[in-house]
Amino acid sequence: AQTVTQSQPEMSVQEAETVTLSCTYDTSESDYYLFWYKQPPSRQMILVIRQEAYKQQNATENRFSVNFQKAAKSFSLKISDSQLGDAAMYFCAYRSATTSGSRLTFGEGTQLTVNP
Amino acid sequence: DVKVTQSSRYLVKRTGEKVFLECVQDMDHENMFWYRQDPGLGLRLIYFSYDVKMKEKGDIPEGYSVSREKKERFSLILESASTNQTSMYLCASTRGGAYSGNTIYFGEGSWLTVV
Repeated sequence: AQTVTQSQPEMSVQEAETVTLSCTYDTSESDYYLFWYKQPPSRQMILVIRQEAYKQQNATENRFSVNFQKAAKSFSLKISDSQLGDAAMYFCAYRSATTSGSRLTFGEGTQLTVNP
Repeated sequence: DVKVTQSSRYLVKRTGEKVFLECVQDMDHENMFWYRQDPGLGLRLIYFSYDVKMKEKGDIPEGYSVSREKKERFSLILESASTNQTSMYLCASTRGGAYSGNTIYFGEGSWLTVV
């Protein structure tokens, strides 16, 4: 079974600075998707970024980018120019691409605080 | 906009009661999921369904069952609620098919307290 590990329960960053959240995963599959979700205090899950394992190029969405290291099974999220609205719980997630009804497996989450 | 609606946002139930948590999506999605979220444990999968009347156990199915009689509705059932089932429950849905990178949509969560 796949597992996802986020080793940083809490992180903090100064406004306008850059922060990196770590995620590692374990799988025997070669084709899969990785996601970062943001959960603000409202609890509504928001997709931040998605990476397809067969793509070598790291995904980028505005201030959010990932460092995808397939061999190392590492998928970190970098937030540049941090804003107060970035404060939230961030979850890393894995989904197999080989089964259409496959489960989405989450890590434990990292609580990000942005200091003004 | 896709909507995943969890009918009950906040519930307080007594130990031993039967509890139903309902989730409805309006985009004809094949796949639906139930998770529970607890501090320090992230989201843990209870059950998921990839079609009507089809279900698979997730990582923590004990004490729970599910029902999917119609495509748009996925119900989570606590046959006999216990205090260790106090948690937030999240429902999610996504299209099926070969593209597992489909966007997954989440409901707003149901806070269940068992006393």
